[in-house]
Amino acid sequence: NAGVMQNPRHLVRRRGQEARLRCSPMKGHSHVYWYRQLPEEGLKFMVYLQKENIIDESGMPKERFSAEFPKEGPSILRIQQVVRGDSAAYFCASSQTGRYSYNSPLHFGNGTRLTVT
Amino acid sequence: KNEVEQSPQNLTAQEGEFITINCSYSVGISALHWLQQHPGGGIVSLFMLSSGKKKHGRLIATINIQEKHSSLHITASHPRDSAVYICAVGKETSGSRLTFGEGTQLTVNP
Repeated sequence: NAGVMQNPRHLVRRRGQEARLRCSPMKGHSHVYWYRQLPEEGLKFMVYLQKENIIDESGMPKERFSAEFPKEGPSILRIQQVVRGDSAAYFCASSQTGRYSYNSPLHFGNGTRLTVT
Repeated sequence: KNEVEQSPQNLTAQEGEFITINCSYSVGISALHWLQQHPGGGIVSLFMLSSGKKKHGRLIATINIQEKHSSLHITASHPRDSAVYICAVGKETSGSRLTFGEGTQLTVNP
């Protein structure tokens, strides 16, 4: 049973390009969360999605960032017109239900390290 | 003031020492998580707890809901325990998203 899969592991983009980060949750998990870790800072919540629905996007920057979790396929975090300040590690986590419990723990992926040059 | 505070920020220990990392929070929570992050690596969930104490191998996590405080203990520390340890809470009011502490960088020397 594969864990949460994120790709790519490393992504380099020039300023102004688009970045697409993918997250495949664990099998049977329908709840996906995206977190960002800026250099020398702690993790910050970005968005919480269920299949085909955005549940909570209160942590997403107002512009250039979007996320989706389609019925089929991975969750995508999309950053348009990247700037140097977007350089960070982006982590995805998944769970079976929306409320963590001993029987529904949270699993993290290995992250995507985005570098904007 | 951050809603989740960890101490210490950095901790250096000798192999075999008993280690304690503390986490205090100022909000009502549904659960508290301890996470481990290795350099350049992913994040591993060590514990999720809402009351009492949990033990897994050499790791022990405790939580005191009344005092809004949790501790992570490592017994007989080993260099491979060197990592960043992160405390995170699921707030009662914010559903499923986590709020994180800044992390504690632990270095265990042989």
